[in-house]
Amino acid sequence: GEDVEQSLFLSVREGDSSVINCTYTDSSSTYLYWYKQEPGAGLQLLTYIFSNMDMKQDQRLTVLLNKKDKHLSLRIADTQTGDSAIYFCAERDYGGSQGNLIFGKGTKLSVKP
Amino acid sequence: GAVVSQHPSWVICKSGTSVKIECRSLDFQATTMFWYRQFPKQSLMLMATSNEGSKATYEQGVEKDKFLINHASLTLSTLTVTSAHPEDSSFYICSATLGGPYEQYFGPGTRLTVT
Repeated sequence: GEDVEQSLFLSVREGDSSVINCTYTDSSSTYLYWYKQEPGAGLQLLTYIFSNMDMKQDQRLTVLLNKKDKHLSLRIADTQTGDSAIYFCAERDYGGSQGNLIFGKGTKLSVKP
Repeated sequence: GAVVSQHPSWVICKSGTSVKIECRSLDFQATTMFWYRQFPKQSLMLMATSNEGSKATYEQGVEKDKFLINHASLTLSTLTVTSAHPEDSSFYICSATLGGPYEQYFGPGTRLTVT
């Protein structure tokens, strides 16, 4: 079945850039997403990218998509302590139940002052 | 933006009792709602897909008699954990979609602890 893989941890210093990587297996995915989860909270959609795009930029966030390698990345510029959270990569599963999301295990981003 | 609420935000119950969790779309009509479960330090796993007025579709391995889902209206879906056991303790998150292929809007989650 479909699978989404992420590294589990990333630690950066405040002000540096963070890059969170994700690989997925379903080549038919049309939308790929990045969600942020703060401790004890639900998920917040950060951004998404359509599969015919290579890059999408939204303020401090840059998403890069390499469809050939099925690799997705999220770059956070000028990382702040408030960016500390778990970041989930997700792909939309149209082969499953009505387009549900398949999530990676999440990357815990720790930002050191 | 679209807002999804869940109630309660946390609940503690005794083993053997049932617990109902509500998921509401506050400012839009959701044709489909999803229920996810998240264990500590793990990803979200889809439990079931709920469409208004029809029976929920459960993922493989999810007991439909244990996790009862009712989608009574376009703004409300409920998940009832029946005869809860400690292993049902988890973080339950719902999401709702406007019906397009673009976004799911997530609720804040409900933390269930079964003692």
